[in-house]
Amino acid sequence: QQQVKQSPQSLIVQKGGISIINCAYENTAFDYFPWYQQFPGKGPALLIAIRPDVSEKKEGRFTISFNKSAKQFSLHIMDSQPGDSATYFCAAPLCSGTYKYIFGTGTRLKVLA
Amino acid sequence: NAGVMQNPRHLVRRRGQEARLRCSPMKGHSHVYWYRQLPEEGLKFMVYLQKENIIDESGMPKERFSAEFPKEGPSILRIQQVVRGDSAAYFCASSSTGDTDTQYFGPGTRLTVL
Repeated sequence: QQQVKQSPQSLIVQKGGISIINCAYENTAFDYFPWYQQFPGKGPALLIAIRPDVSEKKEGRFTISFNKSAKQFSLHIMDSQPGDSATYFCAAPLCSGTYKYIFGTGTRLKVLA
Repeated sequence: NAGVMQNPRHLVRRRGQEARLRCSPMKGHSHVYWYRQLPEEGLKFMVYLQKENIIDESGMPKERFSAEFPKEGPSILRIQQVVRGDSAAYFCASSSTGDTDTQYFGPGTRLTVL
């Protein structure tokens, strides 16, 4: 089965620092890459997403970098804040134009005050 | 504008009982997806439904699990004769179209099987 491999499993960052979470995928047909943020006891919420026709997308302090040749994409959180402490999941559709998402195993981020 | 609603938020069942999880999609959304999340793991796709139709149930266990999305009312995920291994968080998501499209998640139902 196709996989999305996410790392690191957990991450501790000082307030104001940069948090970087990486994902690698296998299926070259993937064409939509969302990142979800999940707080304890809550459902995942869409944070930011990118399509592979661009190499980078930025929304506020959150940036997705996409490397199509390496089949990798990453989430960068600039000026990390304690309120960013959550679990982050990358995801990709199983194949082009599909509804079936494959999720990474998640990264638990803790930002120290 | 209400988001995806799920109830109950927490459900406790004894082994052998039935669990019914409900999901009301966002207004205007006719596509519903169910995912299961085990502790310390990512979400796993279970089933995709449209009104009165099961489109893809390839992620559903073959036995004891069923899902429906009737013409009126919420989508229901039903687990019969629950076992301890069914303990997990079950999330429902909805979207406005069925192709690659943003899926909006509900708060989940946390099922505990004693």
